[in-house]
Amino acid sequence: DADVTQTPRNRITKTGKRIMLECSQTKGHDRMYWYRQDPGLGLRLIYYSFDVKDINKGEISDGYSVSRQAQAKFSLSLESAIPNQTALYFCATSDSAEGTYNEQFFGPGTRLTVL
Amino acid sequence: GNSVTQMEGPVTLSEEAFLTINCTYTATGYPSLFWYVQYPGEGLQLLLKATKADDKGSNKGFEATYRKETTSFHLEKGSVQVSDSAVYFCALSSGGFKTIFGAGTRLFVKA
Repeated sequence: DADVTQTPRNRITKTGKRIMLECSQTKGHDRMYWYRQDPGLGLRLIYYSFDVKDINKGEISDGYSVSRQAQAKFSLSLESAIPNQTALYFCATSDSAEGTYNEQFFGPGTRLTVL
Repeated sequence: GNSVTQMEGPVTLSEEAFLTINCTYTATGYPSLFWYVQYPGEGLQLLLKATKADDKGSNKGFEATYRKETTSFHLEKGSVQVSDSAVYFCALSSGGFKTIFGAGTRLFVKA
Protein backbone atom coordinates (compact mmCIF):
# COMPACT_ATOMS: atom_id res chain seq x y z
CA ASP A 1 0.00 0.00 0.00
CA ALA A 2 1.14 3.54 -0.77
CA ASP A 3 2.59 5.47 2.16
CA VAL A 4 1.15 8.83 1.01
CA THR A 5 -2.24 8.82 -0.67
CA GLN A 6 -4.21 11.61 -2.27
CA THR A 7 -7.87 11.84 -3.22
CA PRO A 8 -9.21 12.50 -5.74
CA ARG A 9 -6.61 11.72 -8.40
CA ASN A 10 -8.39 13.81 -10.99
CA ARG A 11 -11.00 16.52 -10.64
CA ILE A 12 -12.72 18.85 -13.08
CA THR A 13 -14.68 21.71 -11.60
CA LYS A 14 -16.11 25.08 -12.52
CA THR A 15 -15.03 28.59 -11.61
CA GLY A 16 -16.33 29.65 -8.19
CA LYS A 17 -16.76 26.15 -6.76
CA ARG A 18 -15.19 25.12 -3.46
CA ILE A 19 -12.87 22.15 -3.77
CA MET A 20 -11.13 20.01 -1.16
CA LEU A 21 -8.13 17.80 -1.86
CA GLU A 22 -7.23 15.23 0.76
CA CYS A 23 -3.97 13.66 1.80
CA SER A 24 -3.29 10.78 4.18
CA GLN A 25 -0.01 9.21 5.23
CA THR A 26 1.02 6.06 7.04
CA LYS A 27 4.69 6.97 7.42
CA GLY A 28 4.27 8.45 10.89
CA HIS A 29 5.92 11.70 9.80
CA ASP A 30 5.17 14.91 11.65
CA ARG A 31 5.66 17.31 8.74
CA MET A 32 3.28 17.61 5.80
CA TYR A 33 3.29 19.86 2.74
CA TRP A 34 1.12 20.91 -0.18
CA TYR A 35 2.78 21.86 -3.49
CA ARG A 36 1.50 22.75 -6.91
CA GLN A 37 3.33 21.85 -10.09
CA ASP A 38 3.06 23.91 -13.25
CA PRO A 39 5.02 23.22 -16.45
CA GLY A 40 8.41 24.97 -16.38
CA LEU A 41 7.95 26.23 -12.82
CA GLY A 42 8.88 23.21 -10.79
CA LEU A 43 7.12 22.75 -7.46
CA ARG A 44 5.90 25.70 -5.46
CA LEU A 45 4.99 25.42 -1.80
CA ILE A 46 1.42 26.35 -0.87
CA TYR A 47 1.26 25.44 2.85
CA TYR A 48 3.22 23.35 5.29
CA SER A 49 2.54 21.93 8.73
CA PHE A 50 5.01 20.82 11.38
CA ASP A 51 2.34 19.21 13.53
CA VAL A 52 -1.40 19.38 14.11
CA LYS A 53 -1.23 22.80 15.78
CA ASP A 54 1.43 24.36 13.56
CA ILE A 55 0.40 25.47 10.06
CA ASN A 56 2.35 27.91 7.92
CA LYS A 57 1.89 29.67 4.61
CA GLY A 58 4.19 28.89 1.76
CA GLU A 59 5.10 31.09 -1.19
CA ILE A 60 1.73 30.90 -2.98
CA SER A 61 -0.97 30.53 -0.30
CA ASP A 62 -3.45 33.13 -1.64
CA GLY A 63 -6.73 31.48 -2.63
CA TYR A 64 -5.96 28.31 -0.64
CA SER A 65 -6.57 27.12 2.91
CA VAL A 66 -5.57 23.95 4.75
CA SER A 67 -6.63 21.82 7.67
CA ARG A 68 -4.50 19.35 9.64
CA GLN A 69 -7.17 17.09 11.07
CA ALA A 70 -4.72 14.61 12.57
CA GLN A 71 -1.04 13.85 12.31
CA ALA A 72 -1.81 11.63 9.34
CA LYS A 73 -4.24 13.89 7.46
CA PHE A 74 -3.71 17.22 5.74
CA SER A 75 -6.34 18.65 3.40
CA LEU A 76 -6.13 21.55 0.96
CA SER A 77 -9.15 23.68 0.05
CA LEU A 78 -9.71 26.07 -2.80
CA GLU A 79 -12.36 28.43 -1.45
CA SER A 80 -13.52 29.69 -4.84
CA ALA A 81 -11.70 27.98 -7.67
CA ILE A 82 -10.40 30.01 -10.62
CA PRO A 83 -8.92 28.78 -13.93
CA ASN A 84 -5.33 29.72 -13.05
CA GLN A 85 -5.48 27.20 -10.21
CA THR A 86 -5.53 24.47 -12.84
CA ALA A 87 -2.41 22.45 -11.96
CA LEU A 88 -1.05 19.23 -10.56
CA TYR A 89 -1.15 19.22 -6.75
CA PHE A 90 1.15 17.14 -4.58
CA CYS A 91 1.09 16.31 -0.92
CA ALA A 92 4.38 15.40 0.71
CA THR A 93 5.66 14.38 4.13
CA SER A 94 8.98 14.48 5.92
CA ASP A 95 10.40 13.47 9.26
CA SER A 96 11.88 16.07 11.59
CA ALA A 97 14.21 13.54 13.21
CA GLU A 98 17.92 14.29 13.21
CA GLY A 99 19.74 12.93 10.21
CA THR A 100 16.77 12.76 7.84
CA TYR A 101 17.80 16.00 6.07
CA ASN A 102 14.15 16.77 5.32
CA GLU A 103 13.87 14.10 2.61
CA GLN A 104 10.38 14.44 1.19
CA PHE A 105 7.96 11.61 0.37
CA PHE A 106 5.32 12.44 -2.21
CA GLY A 107 1.82 11.28 -2.96
CA PRO A 108 0.80 10.43 -6.54
CA GLY A 109 -0.73 13.85 -7.17
CA THR A 110 -4.16 15.29 -7.96
CA ARG A 111 -4.75 16.76 -11.39
CA LEU A 112 -7.20 19.65 -10.99
CA THR A 113 -8.85 21.43 -13.90
CA VAL A 114 -10.89 24.56 -13.30
CA LEU A 115 -13.13 25.51 -16.21
CA GLY B 1 17.14 33.84 -0.76
CA ASN B 2 17.88 30.23 -1.61
CA SER B 3 17.41 29.10 -5.19
CA VAL B 4 18.11 26.23 -7.57
CA THR B 5 18.80 26.55 -11.29
CA GLN B 6 18.87 23.53 -13.55
CA MET B 7 19.28 23.16 -17.26
CA GLU B 8 16.19 23.50 -19.38
CA GLY B 9 14.87 20.52 -21.22
CA PRO B 10 13.82 18.51 -22.83
CA VAL B 11 16.94 16.44 -23.17
CA THR B 12 16.70 13.71 -25.81
CA LEU B 13 19.27 10.91 -25.87
CA SER B 14 19.68 7.55 -27.49
CA GLU B 15 19.88 4.46 -25.31
CA GLU B 16 23.38 3.90 -23.80
CA ALA B 17 24.34 7.57 -24.20
CA PHE B 18 26.00 9.55 -21.40
CA LEU B 19 23.74 11.87 -19.43
CA THR B 20 24.55 15.13 -17.67
CA ILE B 21 21.91 17.43 -16.20
CA ASN B 22 23.42 20.59 -14.76
CA CYS B 23 22.28 22.05 -11.45
CA THR B 24 23.62 25.07 -9.57
CA TYR B 25 22.37 26.55 -6.35
CA THR B 26 22.42 29.64 -4.19
CA ALA B 27 22.14 29.16 -0.46
CA THR B 28 23.35 30.48 2.85
CA GLY B 29 25.03 28.05 5.16
CA TYR B 30 25.47 24.39 4.24
CA PRO B 31 22.42 22.99 2.50
CA SER B 32 21.66 19.37 1.76
CA LEU B 33 21.27 18.66 -1.95
CA PHE B 34 18.93 16.23 -3.67
CA TRP B 35 17.90 14.86 -7.00
CA TYR B 36 14.29 13.72 -7.26
CA VAL B 37 12.78 11.85 -10.22
CA GLN B 38 9.19 11.93 -11.45
CA TYR B 39 8.07 9.11 -13.72
CA PRO B 40 4.97 9.64 -15.87
CA GLY B 41 1.79 9.77 -13.82
CA GLU B 42 3.58 9.52 -10.49
CA GLY B 43 4.76 11.74 -7.67
CA LEU B 44 8.37 12.66 -7.10
CA GLN B 45 10.69 10.20 -5.43
CA LEU B 46 14.17 10.66 -4.07
CA LEU B 47 16.88 9.51 -6.47
CA LEU B 48 19.98 10.49 -4.48
CA LYS B 49 21.25 13.01 -1.97
CA ALA B 50 24.43 14.56 -0.57
CA THR B 51 24.55 16.29 2.76
CA LYS B 52 27.99 17.91 2.86
CA ALA B 53 30.66 19.26 0.55
CA ASP B 54 32.48 16.67 -1.62
CA ASP B 55 29.90 13.98 -0.83
CA LYS B 56 28.87 11.86 -3.79
CA GLY B 57 25.31 10.60 -3.91
CA SER B 58 24.58 7.58 -6.08
CA ASN B 59 21.66 5.31 -6.93
CA LYS B 60 20.55 3.20 -9.93
CA GLY B 61 23.69 4.17 -11.86
CA PHE B 62 23.13 7.89 -11.33
CA GLU B 63 25.71 10.01 -9.50
CA ALA B 64 26.06 13.60 -8.35
CA THR B 65 28.85 15.28 -6.37
CA TYR B 66 28.29 18.19 -3.99
CA ARG B 67 30.74 20.88 -5.17
CA LYS B 68 30.73 23.78 -2.77
CA GLU B 69 33.40 25.73 -4.66
CA THR B 70 31.24 25.86 -7.80
CA THR B 71 27.87 25.60 -5.96
CA SER B 72 26.91 22.75 -8.25
CA PHE B 73 25.33 19.30 -8.03
CA HIS B 74 25.27 17.94 -11.58
CA LEU B 75 23.51 14.64 -12.26
CA GLU B 76 25.33 12.06 -14.41
CA LYS B 77 24.74 8.56 -15.72
CA GLY B 78 27.12 6.67 -17.91
CA SER B 79 24.59 4.73 -19.99
CA VAL B 80 20.93 5.71 -20.01
CA GLN B 81 18.04 3.33 -20.67
CA VAL B 82 14.57 3.92 -22.07
CA SER B 83 13.22 3.36 -18.55
CA ASP B 84 15.14 6.45 -17.35
CA SER B 85 12.75 8.69 -19.29
CA ALA B 86 11.30 10.99 -16.64
CA VAL B 87 11.48 14.49 -15.21
CA TYR B 88 14.44 15.17 -12.91
CA PHE B 89 14.37 17.82 -10.19
CA CYS B 90 17.36 19.25 -8.38
CA ALA B 91 16.53 20.48 -4.88
CA LEU B 92 18.10 21.87 -1.73
CA SER B 93 17.11 21.91 1.91
CA SER B 94 18.61 24.47 4.24
CA GLY B 95 17.53 25.25 7.76
CA GLY B 96 15.98 21.84 8.11
CA PHE B 97 12.39 22.21 7.06
CA LYS B 98 11.85 23.69 3.61
CA THR B 99 12.94 22.28 0.30
CA ILE B 100 13.52 24.46 -2.77
CA PHE B 101 13.06 22.71 -6.13
CA GLY B 102 14.44 23.54 -9.52
CA ALA B 103 12.10 23.81 -12.52
CA GLY B 104 12.73 20.21 -13.60
CA THR B 105 14.41 18.75 -16.67
CA ARG B 106 12.51 16.30 -18.85
CA LEU B 107 14.59 13.44 -20.26
CA PHE B 108 13.53 11.37 -23.25
CA VAL B 109 15.56 8.25 -24.06
CA LYS B 110 15.04 6.67 -27.48
CA ALA B 111 15.57 2.98 -28.15
